[in-house]
Amino acid sequence: DAKTTQPPSMDCAEGRAANLPCNHSTISGNEYVYWYRQIHSQGPQYIIHGLKNNETNEMASLIITEDRKSSTLILPHATLRDTAVYYCIVATIIQGAQKLVFGQGTRLTINP
Amino acid sequence: GAVVSQHPSWVICKSGTSVKIECRSLDFQATTMFWYRQFPKQSLMLMATSNEGSKATYEQGVEKDKFLINHASLTLSTLTVTSAHPEDSSFYICSARGPDWGYGYTFGSGTRLTVV
Repeated sequence: DAKTTQPPSMDCAEGRAANLPCNHSTISGNEYVYWYRQIHSQGPQYIIHGLKNNETNEMASLIITEDRKSSTLILPHATLRDTAVYYCIVATIIQGAQKLVFGQGTRLTINP
Repeated sequence: GAVVSQHPSWVICKSGTSVKIECRSLDFQATTMFWYRQFPKQSLMLMATSNEGSKATYEQGVEKDKFLINHASLTLSTLTVTSAHPEDSSFYICSARGPDWGYGYTFGSGTRLTVV
């Protein structure tokens, strides 16, 4: 699976947009980009995923560059409850299933 | 939809005993489930892929005789930590692929294992 690089930590003011970058320069054509977050001592929570087009859901937007070598997760109006570790993962289909391998993630702190 | 239930949420056991952790997909069938381990202040480490009706596939460095995985039905996978030692103390998390790709992979709430 392609390796991802994320900043170890970021801060954002409450109510502002949080933009979390991720580099995945070795991504291959059939690999998806997934974003998950983990609040302390809980299981990871799915946020969004995409292949090449930008995606938006009720939680966030995912912007993938045209060359697919990087992406940005956007939380449009961050709240204190968005404080968590955010993981960017690329995964490919292996024997009918995708295997998610987690990197170190970005610890996002939302400040009042 | 796409809820994964993990039980127990925490367990304390004595060294040398075995502990079983259950992972259930509550509202969908999961032919494939994954087991992770997470040490404090570290990321999740994939341990194994559990396939319904067949043997689990373990990641390199994970002892399959120590971490027994059984996926006997489309809604249940179990992880048994055998002859547990204090170094096995960790946060164990399972995940399952949702009913369609729109759900991504759903994770359980995790099991905190403490071996004393």
